[in-house]
Amino acid sequence: AQSVTQPDIHITVSEGASLELRCNYSYGATPYLFWYVQSPGQGLQLLLKYFSGDTLVQGIKGFEAEFKRSQSSFNLRKPSVHWSDAAEYFCAVKGRSNAGKSTFGDGTTLTVKP
Amino acid sequence: DTEVTQTPKHLVMGMTNKKSLKCEQHMGHRAMYWYKQKAKKPPELMFVYSYEKLSINESVPSRFSPECPNSSLLNLHLHALQPEDSALYLCASSQEGLAGMINTGELFFGEGSRLTVL
Repeated sequence: AQSVTQPDIHITVSEGASLELRCNYSYGATPYLFWYVQSPGQGLQLLLKYFSGDTLVQGIKGFEAEFKRSQSSFNLRKPSVHWSDAAEYFCAVKGRSNAGKSTFGDGTTLTVKP
Repeated sequence: DTEVTQTPKHLVMGMTNKKSLKCEQHMGHRAMYWYKQKAKKPPELMFVYSYEKLSINESVPSRFSPECPNSSLLNLHLHALQPEDSALYLCASSQEGLAGMINTGELFFGEGSRLTVL
């Protein structure tokens, strides 16, 4: 069975500081990996995805993530956080042969201090 | 702007009411989903439709009844709900895999319908 762990429930950073959100997954092979962001009262928006090739993927809003097979990790990074980045962040995994079913982590709440 | 549109944005209903949530997408996606999300929790999958056929039902109580009238529309019919069913209901869509194509399955979400059951 596939699973996702986001070890940090809540992270607070100062505006302009760098950010790293952790994600570890469990899956028998290399899955598809995603980061989604959710602002209060909104739906989820895809930030970036990994499915093959270059292990460093670029996303929207200046985010990037690095797939590390040896560590079963897909951590999200941003070099300089903006106040508008405050939101809930979900890491998700989807099996390559499991049509239609993504598994989400429990999420990390990001607070940005002025 | 989201390309998945959900209506209504807010719904308050009593336990004896019948209501429906609606979802529409025009991206040509052939997979559509209903998720339920409680506060501070990840979305929980309820139903998946693939090519207008129900492909996944995550043991959802029968008081929730999904319907997919065509490839662009998805409804969730609600009847005799309980207060614990109060949540944000999210609709999503994704490309379905076609022969020879890579389907990475990223989800496109609507903004959700906030349901309160009194």
